[in-house]
Parts: sequence; C-alpha cells; structure tokens
Amino acid sequence: GQNIDQPTEMTATEGAIVQINCTYQTSGFNGLFWYQQHAGEAPTFLSYNVLDGLEEKGRFSSFLSRSKGYSYLLLKELQMKDSASYLCAVTDSNYQLIWGAGTKLIIKP
Amino acid sequence: DAMVIQNPRYQVTQFGKPVTLSCSQTLNHNVMYWYQQKSSQAPKLLFHYYDKDFNNEADTPDNFQSRRPNTSFCFLDIRSPGLGDAAMYLCATSKEGDRAHEKLFFGSGTQLSVL
Repeated sequence: GQNIDQPTEMTATEGAIVQINCTYQTSGFNGLFWYQQHAGEAPTFLSYNVLDGLEEKGRFSSFLSRSKGYSYLLLKELQMKDSASYLCAVTDSNYQLIWGAGTKLIIKP
Repeated sequence: DAMVIQNPRYQVTQFGKPVTLSCSQTLNHNVMYWYQQKSSQAPKLLFHYYDKDFNNEADTPDNFQSRRPNTSFCFLDIRSPGLGDAAMYLCATSKEGDRAHEKLFFGSGTQLSVL
C-alpha cells in the first residue's frame, strides 16, 4: 500500500527553528508538495520538490531525498501565525496525489 | 482577485436529508476536485473533473454525486447524509490537470454537520 508518515504534533517556541519530517512509500514518484492548513481552513500551497535538494522560499525551506523517500519542511524565525497543520503530499507514478494526515505545529511564546 | 469560493461555510443538515454544496472559481482552471477531510486526517479525494470529463474515485460511496454544469461551477450532492459524512468538504482547482507538478488552489471549505 501507499503511505505517507508525518509526526502527528510538534511544539516549538516563537523565534526558533523547527523541522517537520515526512517519509513516503509510494508506487513511483512524480513530486512532493507541502501545504499549510490553519484550523478550520483550506490548505494553501507552500512548496514543491521533484529533484533532490533544498528549495528555499523566505522563512520556509523544503528538502527532498528521493533515494531515502524523505522530505522535510524547515521553518525559521517562527511566528505565532505559523501555528497550523502542515501536510505532505506525494504524486505517484499514476499521477495520484497521496496525502499525509498532517503535522499539527503548536507555537509557544 | 481570482479565487475559489465555497458556499456555505457551515452547513447543518438532518440525517437522511439531501444536501448540496457549491463551489465556484474565477481562475478559469480546467480541473476541479472535491475532497472530504475529517478532523486530523488526510484529505480524501471524492471526484475530479477534467473539463467536463468526470472521474469518480473507486472508493467514493454512491451516496455522493457531483455536477459540473460549466467551467466555473461545481456541486457536490449528498443524497442521504449519515453521521459519518460529517466532515470538511474542500473544493480545489488546478490549471491543466497535470497533478505531477501542479499545485492545487483550495476554497475555504464547507464544514458539514449531520444531526
């Protein structure tokens, strides 16, 4: 079966750095997405990785290792508004988008 | 601003009473999706349309139907809602349908409660 694993919940401090990991086992790979979802709201796109390496976009960076089936989302200079769930999603060889259940990030002052 | 709009934001229905959720988009995207998301779970794809071509996911219950009368609008009909259908329903669009690398644009969702 296809599976995406993320920690259920993480806690971090305002101003700090946090890394949210995602591992995947899918039938093929055509890209990996990270979405942010605030409570009771729709997901919004954060990043897309298809090649190995680090993609940096402001305070957020996303890393991919295809050989390890692994990605992480790195959030720097955390702000209270970063409290949200972060969903990892992978496109498989059939171009099906497989979603993880999300990691709930709690930011404390 | 171009966007995806879902109405209503909150919907309450009675057990067994048909309900329709609506979605409209001003992005002129070819593809529209309906997802069901329960609390702390991954979004589950119910249907998607590539233009007017309808694609039903294999495990979507028959209780769920969808209509896309034109590019801009899409509807989700739940014929006989059960308690297990209480969830957030998310409408999303993408430009061309190449889900390998296209990001999805989501509406704000409709939170459905079934009493």
